[in-house]
Amino acid sequence: GENVEQHPSTLSVQEGDSAVIKCTYSDSASNYFPWYKQELGKRPQLIIDIRSNVGEKKDQRIAVTLNKTAKHFSLHITETQPEDSAVYFCAASNSGGGADGLTFGKGTHLIIQP
Amino acid sequence: DGGITQSPKYLFRKEGQNVTLSCEQNLNHDAMYWYRQDPGQGLRLIYYSQIVNDFQKGDIAEGYSVSREKKESFPLTVTSAQKNPTAFYLCASTVRASDTQYFGPGTRLTVL
Repeated sequence: GENVEQHPSTLSVQEGDSAVIKCTYSDSASNYFPWYKQELGKRPQLIIDIRSNVGEKKDQRIAVTLNKTAKHFSLHITETQPEDSAVYFCAASNSGGGADGLTFGKGTHLIIQP
Repeated sequence: DGGITQSPKYLFRKEGQNVTLSCEQNLNHDAMYWYRQDPGQGLRLIYYSQIVNDFQKGDIAEGYSVSREKKESFPLTVTSAQKNPTAFYLCASTVRASDTQYFGPGTRLTVL
């Protein structure tokens, strides 16, 4: 089955700087890659996703890039703010969009230093 | 995701007891999912169902059971066969032709 590795497990950046979180996946058939943000004790919230026919997607301060050849994808957050502090999870699916469930990375705890 | 509800929010169970976690959605979504989250870990898929009266095992189905008698409901039973059931349980749903999974607020199960 699919295996998703996520790095780093903890990332501390100064407010206003950029943050990058990286994930690799093992199944070359995977074609859907969402990113979720989870605050302490809360449910995961989708922040951005990308499909395998696209190399990059942007939404304001958040962007995701995908390299199918290398089987890795990354989350980029620019101009970080205190409210960006949370745990971020990447995920992958090979069922045309998560219909068979998602395989998650173990998460990155992002800390924004004031 | 406001249309997905889970109950109870907190649940305490004695060893050897079965417990059932509720998940309901009013979004008319076709597919529903159960995930388990342990501290410092990502979410792991327990069971999923794409249509009524049908469901499939996920990566960690042992010790769990589900039913899907109605489109809007997908209860999860944690049986006494589950060796380490203490965890945060999250239910999700999606429109079948779509990709985005929306999560419920979760149930935190603790075995005493």
